Formats: sequence, C-alpha cells, structure tokens
Amino acid sequence: NAGVTQTPKFRILKIGQSMTLQCTQDMNHNYMYWYRQDPGMGLKLIYYSVGAGITDKGEVPNGYNVSRSTTEDFPLRLELAAPSQTSVYFCASSYQGNTEAFFGQGTRLTVV
Amino acid sequence: KNEVEQSPQNLTAQEGEFITINCSYSVGISALHWLQQHPGGGIVSLFMLSSGKKKHGRLIATINIQEKHSSLHITASHPRDSAVYICAVASWGGGATNKLIFGTGTLLAVQP
Repeated sequence: NAGVTQTPKFRILKIGQSMTLQCTQDMNHNYMYWYRQDPGMGLKLIYYSVGAGITDKGEVPNGYNVSRSTTEDFPLRLELAAPSQTSVYFCASSYQGNTEAFFGQGTRLTVV
Repeated sequence: KNEVEQSPQNLTAQEGEFITINCSYSVGISALHWLQQHPGGGIVSLFMLSSGKKKHGRLIATINIQEKHSSLHITASHPRDSAVYICAVASWGGGATNKLIFGTGTLLAVQP
C-alpha cells in the first residue's frame, strides 16, 4: 500500500537553481494537490489537478509549475529557486474534491 | 481573519486526560477534515465529516453545521497522541475542486 509517494524527502538548493519535486499515487485518484507549509501557517495550496491533462493555480502559484500527464504523477517544478520558497511541501490526492485526502510524507526544501 | 480558526494553538495535558480541540470556520463547506501531523512526519487523515459525529478508537469528532464549529476529542490521552492536529474545510464555491482551507494547527503534548 504505497499511497502517495513524494521524493526527495530533503533538499538544499542554491538561489537560482531549479528542481522537480516528484509525487506519485497508486490509488487511481482523480484529484491531486501541492501544498506548502510554512512555520506557524496553515497549508497553502500551490497547484491542483482534477485529472490527467488538467491543472490549475491555487493560492500561491508564483515561482512554480506543474504538469499532469498521467493519473498517477503530479510533479512540481521550481524554476529559479528563491529563499522565499524555503518550506515543507506536501503532495496530496483524493478520489473527488470532497472525499478523504491522502498526503505524502513531505519534502523539506531549503533555498540558500 | 483566517477562514479556519483553531483553538487552542498549544495544549499540554497529562496522560489520561480528556482533550478537546476546537475548530471554527466562516465559509460554506461540503466537508471538514481532521488531520494529524507528527513532528518531522507526514500528515494523516483522521476524520472527514459533513454532519453529526464520528468515532474511531479514542478519537471522536463532532460538527455543528449551523454554528460552523467542529471539535476533536481524545479520551484517555496518551503520550503517543502528541502531535499537531489540523482542521481543514472543503469549501464549496471553488468550482469542482472543493479546495481545502487549513487551520494553523493545534500542537498537543501529552506528558506521562
């Protein structure tokens, strides 16, 4: 029972570098989400997808890009990393928009 | 003002105590989620409810839709219950996605 798998768990980036956070789910869920969690704040939605080929912006999309070429995968791309992107990133999935959400283990990203 | 407010922000209890964490929200919702996050760990869904009450082991979640309020209760608390408990609402009015809006969490420490 893999559920939602995120990689990597930790990463340190230099300012201006790029990277992709990987997210895969094996539950055949339609909906997938990327959130960031900053200290003392609730999770904020970066991007979401309601199915393969469909993505849309959340509350805090600037500096990120996503794609959803398959039902299983929803990678998050950071271009030109900035210190403000230092955060813990969570990928989640759900069958529909109002059903139980399953979260990955998180990726702790530091931009220096 | 945040759309989802939790109280208290921090809670210390002695083992065996009955614990209540509260969540109030100001938006229309299709469901409310209670989530658990252990230090350095991922996020686990505890409950999703849209009315009434749910029970799982020592955990009980209630919701009052008219008052826009939910509570999470832990009976016979144990040190392993120590975690951050997060309330999130799936708000309708956000298209098909029922996007989740998160509270900032309640940090619970149960001392032996």
